[in-house]
Amino acid sequence: GEEVAQTPKHLVRGEGQKAKLYCAPIKGHSYVFWYQQVLKNEFKFLISFQNENVFDETGMPKERFSAKCLPNSPCSLEIQATKLEDSAVYFCASSQSGRELFFGSGTQLSVL
Amino acid sequence: SQQGEEDPQALSIQEGENATMNCSYKTSINNLQWYRQNSGRGLVHLILIRSNEREKHSGRLRVTLDTSKKSSSLLITASRAADTASYFCATGSLQGAQKLVFGQGTRLTINP
Repeated sequence: GEEVAQTPKHLVRGEGQKAKLYCAPIKGHSYVFWYQQVLKNEFKFLISFQNENVFDETGMPKERFSAKCLPNSPCSLEIQATKLEDSAVYFCASSQSGRELFFGSGTQLSVL
Repeated sequence: SQQGEEDPQALSIQEGENATMNCSYKTSINNLQWYRQNSGRGLVHLILIRSNEREKHSGRLRVTLDTSKKSSSLLITASRAADTASYFCATGSLQGAQKLVFGQGTRLTINP
């Protein structure tokens, strides 16, 4: 597609439950990035992929967060045993060059 | 940790006036980018300036980069109500695919 598609738009989970977010990158873009935005300002880098391979995972809290980009499937970001502090908007972005990013509209995760 | 710090945090001007936002960063960069975020939406890429460039224009946007001062500015000329948004600078440290480090953003309001 011509836009980065993120689903769902909103996700509500009780503390301790699992959350799974999906992202379909723009067709032809080989890089996918995940960012977390808390309180409408700071964007925290989580992980990036080049095709199905992890490119940079230095921002991932590895204990509970995992991500995949498999061929012919949307990319996914999964949070096991969610905590209150995981409440944020999670943005996916794709890129052809790896430099200029095209962002989706985000998934608002609320952990209650 | 956040690389970019933006100034001011909020700016309110009258339609037709020029808006200037500043961004400072701490480490060496390969490029600096500016993005816009409308309320509830993802980031939209505006412009990229490389570390060996000093000024770049795109329509009503003018970006400057001073690597000796580790700072950049974004000027929006002849502002319009539709320019109301948050503006973020982001730095990239690599020539190729890279994680971007975002500033805290400037909230720009254009009053009709």
